[in-house]
Amino acid sequence: EAGVAQSPRYKIIEKRQSVAFWCNPISGHATLYWYQQILGQGPKLLIQFQNNGVVDDSQLPKDRFSAERLKGVDSTLKIQPAKLEDSAVYLCASSSGLGNTIYFGEGSWLTVV
Amino acid sequence: AQTVTQSQPEMSVQEAETVTLSCTYDTSENNYYLFWYKQPPSRQMILVIRQEAYKQQNATENRFSVNFQKAAKSFSLKISDSQLGDTAMYFCAFQGGNNAGNMLTFGGGTRLMVKP
Repeated sequence: EAGVAQSPRYKIIEKRQSVAFWCNPISGHATLYWYQQILGQGPKLLIQFQNNGVVDDSQLPKDRFSAERLKGVDSTLKIQPAKLEDSAVYLCASSSGLGNTIYFGEGSWLTVV
Repeated sequence: AQTVTQSQPEMSVQEAETVTLSCTYDTSENNYYLFWYKQPPSRQMILVIRQEAYKQQNATENRFSVNFQKAAKSFSLKISDSQLGDTAMYFCAFQGGNNAGNMLTFGGGTRLMVKP
């Protein structure tokens, strides 16, 4: 079974530039999450999708971050314009339902300089 | 809102010995799930073990076991016969069971080093 796929793995951009990350969850998983993990901290939820609908985006900085999951499968997370404090690993995860294992991708490392 | 606290930023253990990582959480829910994830330097989160709050029996997965104390809201991870490959960050995580937003809330992590 293929795992959660993310790309790109690494990205370096200058502040005020834009970046987009892509995630393809495990086949059949209706729930998709984007987490932000700053170095030395635990992951923090940015947004959760159930199929193509948003369940929770309360911690998403909506002035600069956006995410979509148009067809209820893969998802894109965009940052525009980027700030230095956005340097982090962006983890995508998926699950088939409540209480079931949440599987994570390898993450997309972002450095903003 | 739920909170998860890991009070040990760093731990070390000799190879083949046993180590216990601590985790406490705060919730008003009665039905929920608890997890321990391992994160090696590659940063991929790997599930180590999970516990359903309604089960009194502590979960066990090979060398990994938990001590789940629901009343105390404590969920510690015991690693027996530690191996060099166990060196990683370990995160305790909580998932609520009563609402649609079944996100994971993570603790701050414990860095475990297994010494030869």
